Amino acid sequence: GESVGLHLPTLSVQEGDNSIINCAYSNSASDYFIWYKQESGKGPQFIIDIRSNMDKRQGQRVTVLLNKTVKHLSLQIAATQPGDSAVYFCAVSDNFNKFYFGSGTKLNVKP
Amino acid sequence: NAGVTQTPKFRVLKTGQSMTLLCAQDMNHEYMYWYRQDPGMGLRLIHYSVGEGTTAKGEVPDGYNVSRLKKQNFLLGLESAAPSQTSVYFCASGPGGRPWEQYFGPGTRLTVT
Repeated sequence: GESVGLHLPTLSVQEGDNSIINCAYSNSASDYFIWYKQESGKGPQFIIDIRSNMDKRQGQRVTVLLNKTVKHLSLQIAATQPGDSAVYFCAVSDNFNKFYFGSGTKLNVKP
Repeated sequence: NAGVTQTPKFRVLKTGQSMTLLCAQDMNHEYMYWYRQDPGMGLRLIHYSVGEGTTAKGEVPDGYNVSRLKKQNFLLGLESAAPSQTSVYFCASGPGGRPWEQYFGPGTRLTVT
């Protein structure tokens, strides 16, 4: 199987600062990498994905970086807002049938 | 569109009882998934389906069964509930071309005493 871990269970940032959430995975055959956001009491919400043939992908205020050499990916959130407060999960898959999730990083945004 | 809905939202079972969780999606998605989420842990895949009439085992399938008789519905059954199955259960669906872009339901909180 796959082992997926996040580096920090909790991250506190000041409103307006940039946030970086990290994730490590174990299976070098992993091909799909996804970030989800989960607000309290809700199901996870898709943010952005990246394939293994890319090392960077940008969305609206978010950037995902993939380093296959060290099996690490990160989610960067620009100009963090109070509405970004949530738990963030990375998920990986090698065949887009089975997905393995990390344990999550709780992002606290201080006003 | 309602998206992904789950029934019920909460349930308490006694050990040994059985129940079925219902997931419905109105997005015509091919893929559907059942996950469980335990405190301090990420989601773990129980079973999944790549289309109507198909099911497959995920990471933690023991003690659960599933059926996908209709494309829009994915049922998760517990035949004989155990306290270890106390968890929050999430259903998700994904489009055939991008199954990793999963849409999740609001979850079912199940307690087994």
